[in-house]
Amino acid sequence: SQQGEEDPQALSIQEGENATMNCSYKTSINNLQWYRQNSGRGLVHLILIRSNEREKHSGRLRVTLDTSKKSSSLLITASRAADTASYFCATDAYGHGNKLVFGAGTILRVKS
Amino acid sequence: KAGVTQTPRYLIKTRGQQVTLSCSPISGHRSVSWYQQTPGQGLQFLFEYFSETQRNKGNFPGRFSGRQFSNSRSEMNVSTLELGDSALYLCASSLAGGETEAFFGQGTRLTVV
Repeated sequence: SQQGEEDPQALSIQEGENATMNCSYKTSINNLQWYRQNSGRGLVHLILIRSNEREKHSGRLRVTLDTSKKSSSLLITASRAADTASYFCATDAYGHGNKLVFGAGTILRVKS
Repeated sequence: KAGVTQTPRYLIKTRGQQVTLSCSPISGHRSVSWYQQTPGQGLQFLFEYFSETQRNKGNFPGRFSGRQFSNSRSEMNVSTLELGDSALYLCASSLAGGETEAFFGQGTRLTVV
């Protein structure tokens, strides 16, 4: 079963704009990870944020985590056409080893 | 540092056959997990192996099995294939599981006809 719910399901923006994707989950977590997937290929790891962290940055990516609301957001600034992909959040439930539970994903299209 | 390698990349099998997929994790990583991705069900966890032992298992029938070797390489096997087993099978490796990042391979696209 999928724990995460991504919002929106699809997002279309112009190059240079910012893209924000949200993820909600149901149970307590150890950490939350964001991944990108291009056209049904493998998942590319973007960023991991631990349950005791509130915000993390990596290049043009900014991730926030609110454990009280069981939600996370991924912000991509100054988007590029190459950012066109599906984005997934995945939670790692505390005490369950490496068993990622994925959301349904957000399809991002960046128009040039 | 080489990434996660999955072989084969594409596979076509007939209903009733069995198939074995292979995954070589990143050097030094001891945890290998397998996921199935379909348009209808999304990404679903199959199982995780750590130091040759199955540590976690998802809600899949017993036709799906796996193993891990002493060099951390892993295989998954699906017996008596069904049309619904057509999917992208993804393998992920991580240093220890749990609190560490999981890195995925390119996947094996299995088509059952």
